[in-house]
Amino acid sequence: EAQVTQNPRYLITVTGKKLTVTCSQNMNHEYMSWYRQDPGLGLRQIYYSMNVEVTDKGDVPEGYKVSRKEKRNFPLILESPSPNQTSLYFCASSFAVGQGGYEQYFGPGTRLTVT
Amino acid sequence: EDKVVQSPLSLVVHEGDTVTLNCSYEVTNFRSLLWYKQEKKAPTFLFMLTSSGIEKKSGRLSSILDKKELFSILNITATQTGDSAVYLCAVAGRSAGGTSYGKLTFGQGTILTVHP
Repeated sequence: EAQVTQNPRYLITVTGKKLTVTCSQNMNHEYMSWYRQDPGLGLRQIYYSMNVEVTDKGDVPEGYKVSRKEKRNFPLILESPSPNQTSLYFCASSFAVGQGGYEQYFGPGTRLTVT
Repeated sequence: EDKVVQSPLSLVVHEGDTVTLNCSYEVTNFRSLLWYKQEKKAPTFLFMLTSSGIEKKSGRLSSILDKKELFSILNITATQTGDSAVYLCAVAGRSAGGTSYGKLTFGQGTILTVHP
């Protein structure tokens, strides 16, 4: 089954404790992206990756890191989480954007709470 | 800074009504405009629009883009309770100093509620 998986689905952590949210897709998609969703603010893009080893900032990259060492995986790293990073996070993937591929498939979301 | 504004922010209608959702944008290096539907889970893709004046249709949903006036509309005819969702508009462009068109800016969304 074609899907985007995220782990964990729910996480409660404390300020400053490094964490990684994993994202994996099995559709051989070139493009992957991370978003956060907050009430009243809609979806905001954190980082995106056009392909392996190619990443770029979205609108809200501060406090986050990403890497794309393999095509299927795009982990999101919070080196020192703070309470303002409490949010619902989505990972998404699609075929190459250059070919107009914005039909993104979204993962189920990770609800993160930082206390 | 890229900006996408949707209106109205919320809308309540009855089954059978027709609704029009609006999306206006200010984006440098525009590539395309996208519509997504989000129920109580992850967003799902509806349409991608790249050319002005060409209507995209899928069943009771249709959308059109005006690149001169920088807006798009999403129409839903004969609404059903299953259309109740948040409708998200996003614009794809190029990040500042970037060379690729992977940057997506979303609007706040329109919450549509359809009563029986």
